[in-house]
Amino acid sequence: SQELEQSPQSLIVQEGKNLTINCTSSKTLYGLYWYKQKYGEGLIFLMMLQKGGEEKSHEKITAKLDEKKQQSSLHITASQPSHAGIYLCGAENDMRFGAGTRLTVKP
Amino acid sequence: GAGVSQSPRYKVAKRGQDVALRCDPISGHVSLFWYQQALGQGPEFLTYFQNEAQLDKSGLPSDRFFAERPEGSVSTLKIQRTQQEDSAVYLCASSPGGHAANYGYTFGSGTRLTVV
Repeated sequence: SQELEQSPQSLIVQEGKNLTINCTSSKTLYGLYWYKQKYGEGLIFLMMLQKGGEEKSHEKITAKLDEKKQQSSLHITASQPSHAGIYLCGAENDMRFGAGTRLTVKP
Repeated sequence: GAGVSQSPRYKVAKRGQDVALRCDPISGHVSLFWYQQALGQGPEFLTYFQNEAQLDKSGLPSDRFFAERPEGSVSTLKIQRTQQEDSAVYLCASSPGGHAANYGYTFGSGTRLTVV
């Protein structure tokens, strides 16, 4: 199955700062999902990327998939406390997830 | 229903007890997944159904774990002779098609199982 590695494992940023989370696959991805999980809750779908070089945005969150379709980055601009949570990438072909990146935004 | 419903929300079981966790997916959703999420970890895949057919059960950790979806809608994850290492949040997700394409999977809020 697909191995997805996320970095960093955790991130603490000051409100208003930009940040980037990375997801690297051991194999070429058919598609990649980004989800957000608030502590103790289910996962919320953010976006899905399918094409090499594709970039999508949702509010202040932008995700890109590289041309080789093995790496994705998720970028948050001007972070807010509401962005806090665990960000998870998942592979479309087998719906396995990375271990997640825990984001804390300090007011 | 409006979303994926899981019950119970919390379950405390004594070691050795059998438990059954229920997932009620969005009506008409073909695909259904079960995941196990330990504290501080990402969700680990357990099993996948397409309608009533269990197409992948490679993630089930042992033969104590059993999942079914007899009519292609509600699914039950059963854990026999629970052990402390089974303590986790069990998440269910569903999607309309064989794979979720552009709309992702809808997750339930999970069942938190604590084995004492």
